[in-house]
Amino acid sequence: GQQVMQIPQYQHVQEGEDFTTYCNSSTTLSNIQWYKQRPGGHPVFLIQLVKSGEVKKQKRLTFQFGEAKKNSSLHITATQTTDVGTYFCAGHSGAGSYQLTFGKGTKLSVIP
Amino acid sequence: EAQVTQNPRYLITVTGKKLTVTCSQNMNHEYMSWYRQDPGLGLRQIYYSMNVEVTDKGDVPEGYKVSRKEKRNFPLILESPSPNQTSLYFCASSLGTASYEQYFGPGTRLTVT
Repeated sequence: GQQVMQIPQYQHVQEGEDFTTYCNSSTTLSNIQWYKQRPGGHPVFLIQLVKSGEVKKQKRLTFQFGEAKKNSSLHITATQTTDVGTYFCAGHSGAGSYQLTFGKGTKLSVIP
Repeated sequence: EAQVTQNPRYLITVTGKKLTVTCSQNMNHEYMSWYRQDPGLGLRQIYYSMNVEVTDKGDVPEGYKVSRKEKRNFPLILESPSPNQTSLYFCASSLGTASYEQYFGPGTRLTVT
């Protein structure tokens, strides 16, 4: 079945440093979604990427979808304490599949 | 307010005692799903439903049952819970298939002793 791998599992950064998490799929994806889960909370949708090579920005967050549609990344510029949480990618293979497969997540800690 | 609700939020039970976790959404979403979240394993899909009376297995369906008799409700049933089903469970819904934004419920923390 489809597998989505995400690295690193944990990341500790000093406030103001940049942060990047990477997502790789074993199969070509129709689209990829990113979610953020604050400590004690539930996953909240951030963005969806659909096109090959797509780049989207949300303030300090930059999302990329690889040319082959098998990998993606989330980059946060100048982290803040409000960025703390676990970031998940989730891939959908399309082609008649109704499943969404999540990566294991990257837990971000920001040291003030 | 658009939301996904789950009940109960916390549950401690014993091995073998049947239980149901309810999930309800008020957004008229067609797609609903259940996930379990375990440390180091991320979110794993248990079951999903594309519409009323249409359900299918996710990646970890063993030991679980679901039903979708109404569009808004998608209960998760554990007929004979075991300690390895101790986990944090999330229900989610979306407008269409998995290619749409998923709205998650607040979660149900289940402990089976």
